[in-house]
Amino acid sequence: QQPVQSPQAVILREGEDAVINCSSSKALYSVHWYRQKHGEAPVFLMILLKGGEQKGHEKISASFNEKKQQSSLYLTASQLSYSGTYFCAGDAGGTSYGKLTFGQGTILTVHP
Amino acid sequence: DAEITQSPRHKITETGRQVTLACHQTWNHNNMFWYRQDLGHGLRLIHYSYGVQDTNKGEVSDGYSVSRSNTEDLPLTLESAASSQTSVYFCASSPSRGYGYTFGSGTRLTVV
Repeated sequence: QQPVQSPQAVILREGEDAVINCSSSKALYSVHWYRQKHGEAPVFLMILLKGGEQKGHEKISASFNEKKQQSSLYLTASQLSYSGTYFCAGDAGGTSYGKLTFGQGTILTVHP
Repeated sequence: DAEITQSPRHKITETGRQVTLACHQTWNHNNMFWYRQDLGHGLRLIHYSYGVQDTNKGEVSDGYSVSRSNTEDLPLTLESAASSQTSVYFCASSPSRGYGYTFGSGTRLTVV
């Protein structure tokens, strides 16, 4: 079952902040976040591992609440380049290790 | 520089024909994946491989097959193309669990 993201879409002005949420119905080993611009491939942003270790890059942060199986992506002081569709993806571990199930995506639009 | 390439970028084929989409990565990654992306469904996993001679079915594997004879390549074959397989196909790779995916640029397939 795919993770559920909210909101489905968000519109911002440059410099504003946004939070995108991701909720899983099953326990996850890790949560990934990707950004996809129109007509392009998804690009890896960040991974949050069970146990709290975080890996990633860029000036975007994220959290993972293992008890609730919820992750949030925080975009602060948004830039025009942040526009795109954001996907969370879960790795359930076990025999499915490394295999990701993607959420339905959140469309982020940043206006000047 | 290491990369992951998909070919062709665009293809139109007729119903019933066999089609093979290529995916080649020079990252030396063990894990490779095929996803399809459709409006309203996000990214759905078709097949995946953890190494040479290893292949596994994903959630939407019916009508598709893969083979892994070397580390670099994971071709996706549509045995008998159907209109329902019109989609954008993405190949991805990762070194192992706990690392993000690197995606290819995608193949837009139209079945007429």
